[in-house]
Amino acid sequence: AQTVTQSQPEMSVQEAETVTLSCTYDTSESNYYLFWYKQPPSRQMILVIRQEAYKQQNATENRFSVNFQKAAKSFSLKISDSQLGDTAMYFCAFMKRRGGATNKLIFGTGTLLAVQP
Amino acid sequence: DSGVTQTPKHLITATGQRVTLRCSPRSGDLSVYWYQQSLDQGLQFLIQYYNGEERAKGNILERFSAQQFPDLHSELNLSSLELGDSALYFCASSVLAGDETQYFGPGTRLLVL
Repeated sequence: AQTVTQSQPEMSVQEAETVTLSCTYDTSESNYYLFWYKQPPSRQMILVIRQEAYKQQNATENRFSVNFQKAAKSFSLKISDSQLGDTAMYFCAFMKRRGGATNKLIFGTGTLLAVQP
Repeated sequence: DSGVTQTPKHLITATGQRVTLRCSPRSGDLSVYWYQQSLDQGLQFLIQYYNGEERAKGNILERFSAQQFPDLHSELNLSSLELGDSALYFCASSVLAGDETQYFGPGTRLLVL
């Protein structure tokens, strides 16, 4: 069974600084997706970034980028130029890739990020 | 706005009661997923439908059931409610069954008293 571990329950960063959130996962699958979702105080789940395991290049979305280390089964999220609106719970999630079949998301326990003014 | 809608936003009910949560996927999405977010168990997958058919079950209780209708909206039915069923219930949708990103609705917050 796959597991996702986020070892940092809470983190804090100053506005405009850079912060990195950690995520490790355990799987015997070779083909999968990894995601970071953000859950602000509104409780909405918002996709931040997605990484396909077969792609060596790390995904980037504006101020958000990942460091994907497949051999180490590590998937960290870097937020640059942190903004007050980045304050949220961040969830790392794993999904097996299997064409034509469903795949549930397996979530970590989340990291609560507070951006300080 | 993800394009996924869920109603109601909030629901307060009593133990032993039955409720129905409704989800409309994004336009064009055939797959619907239900997740439960609770303080003690985190985010857990409940069940998934693809184009009207059940595709996968997760940790869904026998008191819970779901279905997807021909217009692709889905309903999650929770019966014989217990205090421990209080949680945030999310619906998510994707284009294909399994290979696409899941986009989440705003959730239904259920409180069982």
